[in-house]
Amino acid sequence: DTGVSQDPRHKITKRGQNVTFRCDPISEHNRLYWYRQTLGQGPEFLTYFQNEAQLEKSRLLSDRFSAERPKGSFSTLEIQRTEQGDSAMYLCASSLAASWDEQYFGPGTRLTVT
Amino acid sequence: GENVEQHPSTLSVQEGDSAVIKCTYSDSASNYFPWYKQELGKGPQLIIDIRSNVGEKKDQRIAVTLNKTAKHFSLHITETQPEDSAVYFCAAPPSKAAGNKLTFGGGTRVLVKP
Repeated sequence: DTGVSQDPRHKITKRGQNVTFRCDPISEHNRLYWYRQTLGQGPEFLTYFQNEAQLEKSRLLSDRFSAERPKGSFSTLEIQRTEQGDSAMYLCASSLAASWDEQYFGPGTRLTVT
Repeated sequence: GENVEQHPSTLSVQEGDSAVIKCTYSDSASNYFPWYKQELGKGPQLIIDIRSNVGEKKDQRIAVTLNKTAKHFSLHITETQPEDSAVYFCAAPPSKAAGNKLTFGGGTRVLVKP
């Protein structure tokens, strides 16, 4: 199966610690998106890359959050000085940059900040 | 930005009956409308989508209709089965200039009773 993969699937951390998540997109996809989903809500857009360039960031992405996509392949999302409000599912999606942008999601990383 | 509203928030149907979920959107420039199914502990799965140049699309027991004038689109599931039980999300991107990030509705929890 060559779908979107994310690692880790679950992360429990203490408030104030830093965490990093990884996303591996579908191999030929050049767009990569990060979303955040809290319980009972739909996913909310955080940021996206086209190849290695980060083209847009949501205002939800505070300065404690940083994302990278070196070489236009996998991406990492780092949260520094975690807060309890950061507890959520972090979802990664990828797509081909085409006229109709079908986005395929990974299984997500569930973050719990205690 | 785009605003997507989804109704109902929960839907309980008897196995074999039909289920209908409705969404409205705000950005008249939106031209692509996907539907996702999310099972517990998993990422959203793209199940069907519709482009603005057609009014209806069917795929086996699933169909989606689009009314661009009224800015609403609907998901229809016929002959429901227990495995259709999940949370369903509609989504829409703003205009292409905004990078095709998706704005999601709040979700509909569908329960199919055997």
